Amino acid sequence: NAGVTQTPKFQVLKTGQSMTLQCAQDMNHNSMYWYRQDPGMGLRLIYYSASEGTTDKGEVPNGYNVSRLNKREFSLRLESAAPSQTSVYFCASSEVVGSGYEQYFGPGTRLTVT
Amino acid sequence: GNSVTQMEGPVTLSEEAFLTINCTYTATGYPSLFWYVQYPGEGLQLLLKATKADDKGSNKGFEATYRKETTSFHLEKGSVQVSDSAVYFCALSDSGTYKYIFGTGTRLKVLA
Repeated sequence: NAGVTQTPKFQVLKTGQSMTLQCAQDMNHNSMYWYRQDPGMGLRLIYYSASEGTTDKGEVPNGYNVSRLNKREFSLRLESAAPSQTSVYFCASSEVVGSGYEQYFGPGTRLTVT
Repeated sequence: GNSVTQMEGPVTLSEEAFLTINCTYTATGYPSLFWYVQYPGEGLQLLLKATKADDKGSNKGFEATYRKETTSFHLEKGSVQVSDSAVYFCALSDSGTYKYIFGTGTRLKVLA
């Protein structure tokens, strides 16, 4: 099993450009998440999808959109990138939403916006 | 609101030294508690977890006990190795919701 995969691994954008970060999991998990990781701030939840067909905002959703394409795939879109979106982005999945269920993380996408 | 506070890093130890990384939490209800580890250039991996008070999670020589009376979940290892060098995150999952709350991470460096 590959677990959680993310593409691309690295990306450089100019301010105002758009891009989509891709995430897929092969563990038949119902729930998927997008986080960003910034120095000294831990991980912050951008959006999550409790189950196929549903998406909800997390802590820092502004400037992002998501699509739960099917049970396996959950993409994150930046419509007009800003330097404040320079970060490392992690996708994660869990069997279901709820206390006690651990999350499985992808390797991350390092995004720089100039 | 719920929160997780963990000790600032970096922590630098010699090989075979004893490790403690402190983690305290604030939560309503009965959260589950986790320790995740992040090796350079990789995503987070679950190290151990505990789902109720007095539970002890353990894995790869690491241990942590869920202490409701002190709202703590400190990570310990009796003898660290160079390969344990990584960033360690304490986290809680809010009972009945989607929310995971992560601490800011503690970088551990183990010297040979």
